Amino acid sequence: GQQLNQSPQSMFIQEGEDVSMNCTSSSIFNTWLWYKQEPGEGPVLLIALYKAGELTSNGRLTAQFGITRKDSFLNISASIPSDVGIYFCAGPYNQGGKLIFGQGTELSVKP
Amino acid sequence: SAVISQKPSRDICQRGTSLTIQCQVDSQVTMMFWYRQQPGQSLTLIATANQGSEATYESGFVIDKFPISRPNLTFSTLTVSNMSPEDSSIYLCSALGGPGHGSTEAFFGQGTRLTVV
Repeated sequence: GQQLNQSPQSMFIQEGEDVSMNCTSSSIFNTWLWYKQEPGEGPVLLIALYKAGELTSNGRLTAQFGITRKDSFLNISASIPSDVGIYFCAGPYNQGGKLIFGQGTELSVKP
Repeated sequence: SAVISQKPSRDICQRGTSLTIQCQVDSQVTMMFWYRQQPGQSLTLIATANQGSEATYESGFVIDKFPISRPNLTFSTLTVSNMSPEDSSIYLCSALGGPGHGSTEAFFGQGTRLTVV
């Protein structure tokens, strides 16, 4: 079945540094979604990507839909303490809106 | 944008008992789903909650263990039956097709953190 491999698993960075994480799939996706989950909360959608090669920004966040349609990247520039959380990539599988999630990247930001 | 509320937000339950989690969306949505997030893990889809009919379960999940209802377009319940400590997880309600959200952009409730002792 389809799998999403997300890396790195965790990151410990200094405030102000840039962050990059990626997600790869064993098969093609038509949509890539990036979520952030903070402790005690559900995932919140950050960026949605719909077209191969698409580059989309949301404030300091930028995500790209890989040309092969089997990967996606999320970058965070000039990190701040409130960026702390777990970031998940996700994509729809089969039909009917079901999502498969990557393993998550846990981000820690040291002030 | 549509908002999902889940109740309870957390609970500690005795093994062998059952807990019903409620999910209420503040506007009509096309689809509703239930996910499980085990400690330190990612999200795994349990089932699609179908309005007025039986839920569609993913491999490894069965109706007897996780009965689901969806009586209308804004409400669903998930019951975790005959609980064991292995059921300790966060259970998340998700929806698609609500106002303010793209048709493929699932949004989530805050989750129900269940601990079984």
